[in-house]
Amino acid sequence: DVKVTQSSRYLVKRTGEKVFLECVQDMDHENMFWYRQDPGLGLRLIYFSYDVKMKEKGDIPEGYSVSREKKERFSLILESASTNQTSMYLCASSPGGGLKTQYFGPGTRLLVL
Amino acid sequence: SQQGEEDPQALSIQEGENATMNCSYKTSINNLQWYRQNSGRGLVHLILIRSNEREKHSGRLRVTLDTSKKSSSLLITASRAADTASYFCATDKGTGNQFYFGTGTSLTVIP
Repeated sequence: DVKVTQSSRYLVKRTGEKVFLECVQDMDHENMFWYRQDPGLGLRLIYFSYDVKMKEKGDIPEGYSVSREKKERFSLILESASTNQTSMYLCASSPGGGLKTQYFGPGTRLLVL
Repeated sequence: SQQGEEDPQALSIQEGENATMNCSYKTSINNLQWYRQNSGRGLVHLILIRSNEREKHSGRLRVTLDTSKKSSSLLITASRAADTASYFCATDKGTGNQFYFGTGTSLTVIP
């Protein structure tokens, strides 16, 4: 069974804080993704990575950065958290080649005060 | 701009009834996937249909794809209370690695 884990289920931070969200997958997947999910807006892609140390911007990268130093770990960084970054953050991974089904973590609900 | 748009936004049915959700998209795709999300959880992949397929079955799930109309439907037969969840369609961006997810259909199955 593919397992994608996220470091926290719930997180409360203050405006201006630097926030790290961690994601780990155990299936040796090449691709990893960070989404945010907001009511009425669905899932929007923030960043994705198709290999170690490689990253590509998604649809809404502003205010975020990512790090992928190891294949199994993909970190999302909020450099200076703002209230409009309050959201549900979902990490996903998928194998390279083939059918590209994505496997999701349980999500991190972030509240920025 | 979003690719997949689900319809209806919300659906409430009695246990045992069938549930049908629709997805429309804007540009050509290689494949379309359906995912389920239980409240407050991550998404779980249900089924994938390729652009050259018209219909696919998996257990109580039936997915159709009409590329001429740029639409897909997900049918859940003999629904159960445990099917209560949000359902999303996801269309690829052509690269195969990225997907557009719609805003989802919230399904409630009443016991």
